[in-house]
Amino acid sequence: AQTVTQSQPEMSVQEAETVTLSCTYDTSESDYYLFWYKQPPSRQMILVIRQEAYKQQNATENRFSVNFQKAAKSFSLKISDSQLGDAAMYFCAYRATLYGGATNKLIFGTGTLLAVQP
Amino acid sequence: SAVISQKPSRDICQRGTSLTIQCQVDSQVTMMFWYRQQPGQSLTLIATANQGSEATYESGFVIDKFPISRPNLTFSTLTVSNMSPEDSSIYLCSVEGRLYEQYFGPGTRLTVT
Repeated sequence: AQTVTQSQPEMSVQEAETVTLSCTYDTSESDYYLFWYKQPPSRQMILVIRQEAYKQQNATENRFSVNFQKAAKSFSLKISDSQLGDAAMYFCAYRATLYGGATNKLIFGTGTLLAVQP
Repeated sequence: SAVISQKPSRDICQRGTSLTIQCQVDSQVTMMFWYRQQPGQSLTLIATANQGSEATYESGFVIDKFPISRPNLTFSTLTVSNMSPEDSSIYLCSVEGRLYEQYFGPGTRLTVT
């Protein structure tokens, strides 16, 4: 069964600094997607970034980028120039594609609570 | 992307009663998902709702406790039946996009007294 592990329950970063959130996953599938979601306090869950497993190039969205290491099954999120609005719970998630009868479920990690210090 | 709304946004209910949560999407989607989330914790999938078929429930969740309706491609409801304080949680619906990403509603915060 697929699993997603986030080993950092909490992280803290100074405003304008860079922080990296870790995520590892376990799967026997070769084709899948990985996601980072952000959930600010008492606010809606939003998609931060998406990575397709068959693409070697790391995804980037403005200040957010990932380090995708497929062989190591690692998918970390780097936030550059951290802002106060980045403070949130961050969830790493995995989704196999539908080929081969894979489940349609999004598998979430336990989350990392990021605090941004002014 | 998809815009999702949920009603109610929050409610306080007495034990033994039922609450129906509505989820409305601004576009037609095949699959809708219902999750439960304790504050500060990860999401637990309750069930997947496809239009025109019975919902598929995850282990630990049963239809009698969490009946789901999916009358069309833009709407779904989740009912929390015969509530107990253990049902106090945030309930979220979501839909899946073209590249397997999910878009989430704002959630319904339920407190059972």
